[in-house]
Amino acid sequence: AQSVTQPDIHITVSEGASLELRCNYSYGATPYLFWYVQSPGQGLQLLLKYFSGDTLVQGIKGFEAEFKRSQSSFNLRKPSVHWSDAAEYFCAVGPNNDMRFGAGTRLTVKP
Amino acid sequence: DAGITQSPRHKVTETGTPVTLRCHQTENHRYMYWYRQDPGHGLRLIHYSYGVKDTDKGEVSDGYSVSRSKTEDFLLTLESATSSQTSVYFCAISEPTGTDNQPQHFGDGTRLSIL
Repeated sequence: AQSVTQPDIHITVSEGASLELRCNYSYGATPYLFWYVQSPGQGLQLLLKYFSGDTLVQGIKGFEAEFKRSQSSFNLRKPSVHWSDAAEYFCAVGPNNDMRFGAGTRLTVKP
Repeated sequence: DAGITQSPRHKVTETGTPVTLRCHQTENHRYMYWYRQDPGHGLRLIHYSYGVKDTDKGEVSDGYSVSRSKTEDFLLTLESATSSQTSVYFCAISEPTGTDNQPQHFGDGTRLSIL
């Protein structure tokens, strides 16, 4: 079955600094890949998704992610982090009826 | 915000008792999902529904059952709750467009504690 690894449990960055969250996946075919964000006490919000085509995908809130098949990675990036980006971020792979999520990366933003 | 309401938001119950969680949507989306979230595991799919009375199992379905008698409601039942089912439960919905079909909107979760 497919699986996702998010190597970083917790990341701290300064406001205004760039951000990269790592995601590695295992999937037998061309993967469907997703990034979600979860603020405390709330459900998940879809940031972006990759199905096929251009390997650099743009999402909401200024986030982007790059699919690299050779590295089985789908890393999330943002050029300049805002304090409101502090949250937990989840990478997921799947078809919808068997989507597998990573354990999450908690992002702390320092003033 | 998408219209998804989960009830109750918090529940504490005892081992062996039946528990039903409700997810109600106002978006008329075809797919509905139940996930559980546990530290170190992210979200894991319990069951999902692709239409009224059409449901299927997910990754961690043992000990859970679901029902969907109306488009807007998806119920998750723990027939005899166990302490291992203490978790935060999330409902999600989606409406497929071609190959684009993934959980798009999530409820705010139900925190369930089984003592």
